[in-house]
Amino acid sequence: EPEVTQTPSHQVTQMGQEVILRCVPISNHLYFYWYRQILGQKVEFLVSFYNNEISEKSEIFDDQFSVERPDGSNFTLKIRSTKLEDSAMYFCASSFPGAKWGQYFGPGTRLLVL
Amino acid sequence: AQSVTQPDIHITVSEGASLELRCNYSYGATPYLFWYVQSPGQGLQLLLKYFSGDTLVQGIKGFEAEFKRSQSSFNLRKPSVHWSDAAEYFCAVGAHNQAGTALIFGKGTTLSVSS
Repeated sequence: EPEVTQTPSHQVTQMGQEVILRCVPISNHLYFYWYRQILGQKVEFLVSFYNNEISEKSEIFDDQFSVERPDGSNFTLKIRSTKLEDSAMYFCASSFPGAKWGQYFGPGTRLLVL
Repeated sequence: AQSVTQPDIHITVSEGASLELRCNYSYGATPYLFWYVQSPGQGLQLLLKYFSGDTLVQGIKGFEAEFKRSQSSFNLRKPSVHWSDAAEYFCAVGAHNQAGTALIFGKGTTLSVSS
């Protein structure tokens, strides 16, 4: 069964550094998403992406965040200048067009900002 | 405001016993509803979804859920729990018929299974 994959599984970085989290969505999906889960809190939506542009974003997704689909398979989340409060599990998801099909999640990248 | 409430933070069930995990939602329009499961070290796996039609939906691993519009609920059930069902379960709601939209998650319920 096709799966969403994410790399790395864990990342430790210093405050102020840039990080890039990578995802390979399911190959015939057209919508891509990033969510995050701060330890002990809810899974929160960051951004959705379709046809090479942002479809929807939350208020969390400010100027320090950006997304890109650099090629036909990868989908990336860049955090430009990390803060301590960016420490979280970041999930990538993908879906078919049409919300009724559901979103399929990857295993997550645990980001720790020191 | 749109929200999902899972009233039970942690539930312990004996192996072989039945299970019901509660989910209540607040949403301005007709929602799509989902249940996800997360095992330790794993991603969120889609268990089942409701978007229209029969209010009792079947999912993977023997789970089912019932949509009750009058109660704004979408409770997850399983008639006989297995030790491998121990995990965290998340209820989520999305906008009806709107692709690319955010899912709103509840805080999750941790299920422990005792022998």
